[in-house]
Amino acid sequence: EAGVVQSPRYKIIEKKQPVAFWCNPISGHNTLYWYRQNLGQGPELLIRYENEEAVDDSQLPKDRFSAERLKGVDSTLKIQPAELGDSAVYLCASSLVGQGYNEQFFGPGTRLTVL
Amino acid sequence: GENVEQHPSTLSVQEGDSAVIKCTYSDSASNYFPWYKQELGKRPQLIIDIRSNVGEKKDQRIAVTLNKTAKHFSLHITETQPEDSAVYFCAASLDNYGQNFVFGPGTRLSVLP
Repeated sequence: EAGVVQSPRYKIIEKKQPVAFWCNPISGHNTLYWYRQNLGQGPELLIRYENEEAVDDSQLPKDRFSAERLKGVDSTLKIQPAELGDSAVYLCASSLVGQGYNEQFFGPGTRLTVL
Repeated sequence: GENVEQHPSTLSVQEGDSAVIKCTYSDSASNYFPWYKQELGKRPQLIIDIRSNVGEKKDQRIAVTLNKTAKHFSLHITETQPEDSAVYFCAASLDNYGQNFVFGPGTRLSVLP
């Protein structure tokens, strides 16, 4: 079974530039998550999708961050404009929500460096 | 909202010894507690989890205990091996399907040969 795929793996940009991250979840998984992981810290949820609906985006800085999950499969996360404090690893995860507790499978992440 | 604390932040043990990592959570309604292992430069991976209706769960060398009254849970690794070296994250979830995780800050475990 293929895992969660993310691209790019690394991105270096100058502040004020836009950047986008892409995630392809495990086939059949209906729930998709975007996390931000700062150095030395645990992942923090930015947004959670159930199919194509964003059901929890309370931690997403909406002035500069946006996300979409068209057709309930792939997802993109965008930052415009990027700030120095956005440097972090952006993790995508997916799960199949059904009865009982469902494991979240993480992708390898995109390491963003804002100069 | 939920707050998860984790201790210690770093832990070094000799190969073959045991390691214990402790987490506390703030919201008594949390009902699902997974543990993730993240090796350097790699993705977090689930290693064990426990639900609020269970006090202890074991999987080979790994065990997790939960004390709901005190709102804390612990990861126990016995007979540690060098490949156990990684960062370990605990998490707590409030919702019924374990989707809304709040992660702890992580513990860097080093197993010395």
